[in-house]
Amino acid sequence: EADIYQTPRYLVIGTGKKITLECSQTMGHDKMYWYQQDPGMELHLIHYSYGVNSTEKGDLSSESTVSRIRTEHFPLTLESARPSHTSQYLCASSEFGREGTQYFGPGTRLLVL
Amino acid sequence: QKEVEQDPGPLSVPEGAIVSLNCTYSNSAFQYFMWYRQYSRKGPELLMYTYSSGNKEDGRFTAQVDKSSKYISLFIRDSQPSDSATYLCAMSPMGGAGSYQLTFGKGTKLSVIP
Repeated sequence: EADIYQTPRYLVIGTGKKITLECSQTMGHDKMYWYQQDPGMELHLIHYSYGVNSTEKGDLSSESTVSRIRTEHFPLTLESARPSHTSQYLCASSEFGREGTQYFGPGTRLLVL
Repeated sequence: QKEVEQDPGPLSVPEGAIVSLNCTYSNSAFQYFMWYRQYSRKGPELLMYTYSSGNKEDGRFTAQVDKSSKYISLFIRDSQPSDSATYLCAMSPMGGAGSYQLTFGKGTKLSVIP
């Protein structure tokens, strides 16, 4: 079982609130990723990081932001949540050079009312 | 046309059946091909990883890649109820910019009935 954790698992929140989704991994992986997954749709990469102090946007535009201050921690923040942000957010990590082998966390299901 | 096409199913089979799951793709730059399995309320987990055309076998699972047809398959022999999950194909180019990024199919939901 992969050592990658996400909290909270479920979050229901009102419009306009600031939220932070937490992701931590204990495998020492340099690369980390955030994906968005809607029912019946493909996983879409929204952010990734090569390592500490490195963050890049993925192929799906997102109003969220990320930070990578520590290797093991890759939080995602929404400054002002909207109903359109309702989705499942999956965090993943991989070793550098082995990007095909990604280890996923259990996901955070976000519902914005 | 999407880069990766995968029939979402659902697919329902009796226990012990041979299951065939497929994806087609349009981007000839894709060189690495993966199959991930995702149980309900869980994140995806890597099942199979292939690079070259041909077959790769791991227990009851066989991954097949046909680059000339841009077609990949996952076969499950002697399917079990525990195989009930959504199966996602994923692929990426080799090296260079973008090699970090996996392109996923929508996933096929499989149910194996006892």
